[in-house]
Amino acid sequence: KNEVEQSPQNLTAQEGEFITINCSYSVGISALHWLQQHPGGGIVSLFMLSSGKKKHGRLIATINIQEKHSSLHITASHPRDSAVYICAIGEGGSEKLVFGKGTKLTVNP
Amino acid sequence: NAGVTQTPKFRILKIGQSMTLQCAQDMNHNYMYWYRQDPGMGLKLIYYSVGAGITDKGEVPNGYNVSRSTTEDFPLRLELAAPSQTSVYFCASSDPGTVYEQYFGPGTRLTVT
Repeated sequence: KNEVEQSPQNLTAQEGEFITINCSYSVGISALHWLQQHPGGGIVSLFMLSSGKKKHGRLIATINIQEKHSSLHITASHPRDSAVYICAIGEGGSEKLVFGKGTKLTVNP
Repeated sequence: NAGVTQTPKFRILKIGQSMTLQCAQDMNHNYMYWYRQDPGMGLKLIYYSVGAGITDKGEVPNGYNVSRSTTEDFPLRLELAAPSQTSVYFCASSDPGTVYEQYFGPGTRLTVT
């Protein structure tokens, strides 16, 4: 059974800081997903990647398949980035995802 | 497109009562999922469906039932509610053509007392 571990569990930053959230998993995957859950509860998909790196605005996601590790970076963080960031993995050919417990990010002005 | 919609947003049930959580999507996605989210825990899959008439159990199916009579709708039924079913419930849908990127509904916060 694949396990998904995220670190840190909680992260507090000052506005403008560079943020890194990590995700590791135990067995091979077909894709890795990064999701954002706002304080109001809604969940949105940020990235889906199976290799390399993707960038969207100030967010960058990378994955290292050999090391079974992914990172989510936020450049020039802003208080509106405060949310829970969730890593999830899709196992080969499976339509089901396995979720990490999330990283709660608080960005102070 | 409305995306994935869920009703109700909030509900309080007494122990032993039953209810149905509604979920609908207008993206013509074949795959639909029900998750529960407990404080400090990752999302747990309750049931999922790969198309109308086809459902399967996830990680935590006990105490729940589902049906999928149409592509659009995927209701979740709670029979004989228990305090352990107090949670936030999310419905999601995906299209295998997008490598299972999932689209989530807004959630239903359920309290069983």
